[in-house]
Amino acid sequence: NAGVTQTPKFQVLKTGQSMTLQCAQDMNHNSMYWYRQDPGMGLRLIYYSASEGTTDKGEVPNGYNVSRLNKREFSLRLESAAPSQTSVYFCASNGRTNTEAFFGQGTRLTVV
Amino acid sequence: AQTVTQSQPEMSVQEAETVTLSCTYDTSENNYYLFWYKQPPSRQMILVIRQEAYKQQNATENRFSVNFQKAAKSFSLKISDSQLGDTAMYFCAYFYNNNDMRFGAGTRLTVKP
Repeated sequence: NAGVTQTPKFQVLKTGQSMTLQCAQDMNHNSMYWYRQDPGMGLRLIYYSASEGTTDKGEVPNGYNVSRLNKREFSLRLESAAPSQTSVYFCASNGRTNTEAFFGQGTRLTVV
Repeated sequence: AQTVTQSQPEMSVQEAETVTLSCTYDTSENNYYLFWYKQPPSRQMILVIRQEAYKQQNATENRFSVNFQKAAKSFSLKISDSQLGDTAMYFCAYFYNNNDMRFGAGTRLTVKP
């Protein structure tokens, strides 16, 4: 029972490089989310997808793009990484309005 | 936009004692959901307790209970008989319409032996 799987777990990028964080869930959830976690700021919503084929901006979308490839997968892309994007990134999914979101194990990204 | 505020960046409690973590939120909606999540050093996000806004009764899960004051937009978490394993970051979260979940900045709780 995998739940929500994120890859990679750790990544170091140079400023200006691009990369894609992958997320997949096997719980048949409609909604998926990308958050970043920074010290003293909690989890901030980057993008979310309420259903396959739809995506919406959250609190801090600048510098990121997302793709809801199918119901299972929701990827986050950094086109030109900046040191300000150094953070821990979490993917989450949710199936119904009265249940909690399930989280992946997080990706620690460092941009140097 | 909905906002969630946790005004206590850090708290500590002696083992076996009771501690209360505070959370307030801002919304114009009537039906929504509130959650407390725990994040231990492993970084895993673990649901502690949930509250539906349409329910007047406060939620309880073993040693964890909430004080939900809808008019005041307040949602505090009480941990009774604190254990060393309760040491973690605790996040309050607001959830509406299956589209958007917002979190507070978190409270770092340390349980002392």
